[in-house]
Amino acid sequence: EAGVVQSPRYKIIEKKQPVAFWCNPISGHNTLYWYRQNLGQGPELLIRYENEEAVDDSQLPKDRFSAERLKGVDSTLKIQPAELGDSAVYLCASSASRGSKTQYFGPGTRLLVL
Amino acid sequence: KQEVTQIPAALSVPEGENLVLNCSFTDSAIYNLQWFRQDPGKGLTSLLLIQSSQREQTSGRLNASLDKSSGRSTLYIAASQPGDSATYLCAVIGAGGGNKLTFGTGTQLKVEL
Repeated sequence: EAGVVQSPRYKIIEKKQPVAFWCNPISGHNTLYWYRQNLGQGPELLIRYENEEAVDDSQLPKDRFSAERLKGVDSTLKIQPAELGDSAVYLCASSASRGSKTQYFGPGTRLLVL
Repeated sequence: KQEVTQIPAALSVPEGENLVLNCSFTDSAIYNLQWFRQDPGKGLTSLLLIQSSQREQTSGRLNASLDKSSGRSTLYIAASQPGDSATYLCAVIGAGGGNKLTFGTGTQLKVEL
């Protein structure tokens, strides 16, 4: 069974440019999460989806960040415009809606803003 | 607001040594606690999950304990190997629901030959 897939794995952009990250969760997982991990820190939740609905986006900087999960499967996280402080690893995770709800993480997208 | 702290931040041990990683959390109202492993440039791999009603979980050479009332958990690694070198992260899910993981900053472990 395929795990959580993320692309791209690495992205280097100049500040003020837009950037987008893509995530495909494990098949059948209704819940999808986007986390941001700064260097030397643990991941912090940005947004959580239940199917296509964003049920927790309290930590998402809405002035420049947006996310969508239109068909309740894969998801895109966008930053526009990017700032130097956005350099981090962006992790996607998914879990089933019932049962143990264990979160399975993708490999992440490492973003460097110059 | 839940805060999770991990001590030490980094640890270097010789191969074969037993070791303990520590995790503390400020709000004891948790649903469960997980220990993750993160290798450089990789995502997180779940190692052990302890429900709030449990005291410990074991998997191979790993044993995790939970003392919810004191807000502490430990991860014990027996007979460490160079392949255990990684960053170990502790995370809790609050009892309020939402399945939101709150992570500590991690312990970077190096096991030397």
